Amino acid sequence: DAGVTQSPTHLIKTRGQQVTLRCSPISGHKSVSWYQQVLGQGPQFIFQYYEKEERGRGNFPDRFSARQFPNYSSELNVNALLLGDSALYLCASSLEDEQFFGPGTRLTVL
Amino acid sequence: GESVGLHLPTLSVQEGDNSIINCAYSNSASDYFIWYKQESGKGPQFIIDIRSNMDKRQGQRVTVLLNKTVKHLSLQIAATQPGDSAVYFCAEVYNQGGKLIFGQGTELSVKP
Repeated sequence: DAGVTQSPTHLIKTRGQQVTLRCSPISGHKSVSWYQQVLGQGPQFIFQYYEKEERGRGNFPDRFSARQFPNYSSELNVNALLLGDSALYLCASSLEDEQFFGPGTRLTVL
Repeated sequence: GESVGLHLPTLSVQEGDNSIINCAYSNSASDYFIWYKQESGKGPQFIIDIRSNMDKRQGQRVTVLLNKTVKHLSLQIAATQPGDSAVYFCAEVYNQGGKLIFGQGTELSVKP
């Protein structure tokens, strides 16, 4: 069975640009969560979506937004990129309590 | 505020020895905790979990201990192998599986 997949694997943007990251959950999982992991730190919760509805939001500015589609895949959008947005962005899907993580998208902002 | 922190940022052990990784948490209302392993270039991988109505749970070569009195978690890895080298995070589950609060992580290095 395929695990959580994310695309792209890596990308490089410049300050002020916008980025869209994509996530496909494990088949049958209806919940998707997004996390930001800065180098040397643990992941920080950004959003959780369940059945296309936002269920939770972390302490991130409004430049960060997300959505979930009818097939339960999800996109994370970040506008007006800052240097500090450089991080590994992780997506996790879950059926119940256990969250399964994808490999992440490495975003570098120059 | 919310925080889950680790006592030791790095841990180096000899192959075959037992490893103990510690974690302190601050949210006494949490009732579910998870240990994750993260290898370089990969997402966190579930190792073992424990609910607050338990003080010990065992898996294959791993044991998690929970001390609610002092808000402390530990992960014990028996007979540590080179493949165990990774960063280990404890995470506190908030809002019934919605939000994970991670600590900074401990890097485990296993010497052959």
